[in-house]
Amino acid sequence: DAEITQSPRHKITETGRQVTLACHQTWNHNNMFWYRQDLGHGLRLIHYSYGVQDTNKGEVSDGYSVSRSNTEDLPLTLESAASSQTSVYFCASSESSGFGRNTEAFFGQGTRLTVV
Amino acid sequence: AQKVTQAQTEISVVEKEDVTLDCVYETRDTTYYLFWYKQPPSGELVFLIRRNSFDEQNEISGRYSWNFQKSTSSFNFTITASQVVDSAVYFCALLIYNQGGKLIFGQGTELSVKP
Repeated sequence: DAEITQSPRHKITETGRQVTLACHQTWNHNNMFWYRQDLGHGLRLIHYSYGVQDTNKGEVSDGYSVSRSNTEDLPLTLESAASSQTSVYFCASSESSGFGRNTEAFFGQGTRLTVV
Repeated sequence: AQKVTQAQTEISVVEKEDVTLDCVYETRDTTYYLFWYKQPPSGELVFLIRRNSFDEQNEISGRYSWNFQKSTSSFNFTITASQVVDSAVYFCALLIYNQGGKLIFGQGTELSVKP
């Protein structure tokens, strides 16, 4: 069965360290997204990609970067982790959102990141 | 600007009660989708329903029903005869057609169903 997986599921890191969260999908979707979930804010978009070599900034992109070298993976990098980046991170993928096509986003299980 | 508001932060009910979760959205676009997701205590996001802006028919799926009203920009979710397993955080989300599948989420409503 096709799926989307995130790793690690939990991570504790120190302030100032570089951290990379992995996201891998086997749906063969062109669209991939990273969101962070914080109490009172719901999920907010960090970065997204519409295909290989394409990346775009979302609502809360400062301090984060992504790269897309193949269809399946969109790793999220925190260049220098800060305590404000303690959050739960969700990766998602979807087909193109042409009207009438399936626009459902499939989400990974989430990564709980703690920056101390 | 597009926005989704879930004004109810937390709701607590007793098992078998009916409960409605409110969702109000803002957009000037005429073509869009609305979604509901469930996040149980285990943390994953579970897709519940998708509705497009041209389909205002209410939908029922078992104990779940959804009321979409464009006139009030609302997409409310009702659980009939709630059960303890319904305890979760529920998110309403908006997706604008031709904006690449980006979801705009509400803040979430935490539903607690007590036995």
